[in-house]
Amino acid sequence: DTAVSQTPKYLVTQMGNDKSIKCEQNLGHDTMYWYKQDSKKFLKIMFSYNNKELIINETVPNRFSPKSPDKAHLNLHINSLELGDSAVYFCASSQDPRLAKNIQYFGAGTRLSVL
Amino acid sequence: AQTVTQSQPEMSVQEAETVTLSCTYDTSENNYYLFWYKQPPSRQMILVIRQEAYKQQNATENRFSVNFQKAAKSFSLKISDSQLGDTAMYFCAFMKHGSGNTGKLIFGQGTTLQVKP
Repeated sequence: DTAVSQTPKYLVTQMGNDKSIKCEQNLGHDTMYWYKQDSKKFLKIMFSYNNKELIINETVPNRFSPKSPDKAHLNLHINSLELGDSAVYFCASSQDPRLAKNIQYFGAGTRLSVL
Repeated sequence: AQTVTQSQPEMSVQEAETVTLSCTYDTSENNYYLFWYKQPPSRQMILVIRQEAYKQQNATENRFSVNFQKAAKSFSLKISDSQLGDTAMYFCAFMKHGSGNTGKLIFGQGTTLQVKP
């Protein structure tokens, strides 16, 4: 069973469209994250949720909106896609970082290409 | 603000030999974690090894070990008996420790390692 799964793995879309990436973890973790890996392979955190509460909200355009319906899911919705949004987006999860081991488990990534 | 620097964009090593990847970081925190993650061509991010700053003993995981120099803010990864499957991009990462910890990982730029047969 995949511990952290993201769908889709690949997403090709036109500028201006709205798209969502889904993430689910079956590890029983309280905290989930979204990271962006740009074309130079640089990884940077975007958001994190702990038990459905937004904890980290880095400087990310308002067009990006995370949604956590429950602690096992953290979806990323992107409005009005731009060329610069092309990247690989990683979901990750961990136990509550304030309380426990700080090991994050990553999904396989979603490669988003905006044309 | 914390920063992580990996000064070697690319490295190569012959199979079965040993290679060391460098990482330095800057922080005013006293308690923190350091990590090495591996990203093979499959794109999956895999944790290689983890070090807690309050522990003086260097972490080891089979063929992987670290040289943690807290005063120098240096955290290098040594891979012994390199295997073809070690070919990947390696990321050094920093995380604060303690009750204010949000789990935010700060990554270095990455080092691409190629293991040659």
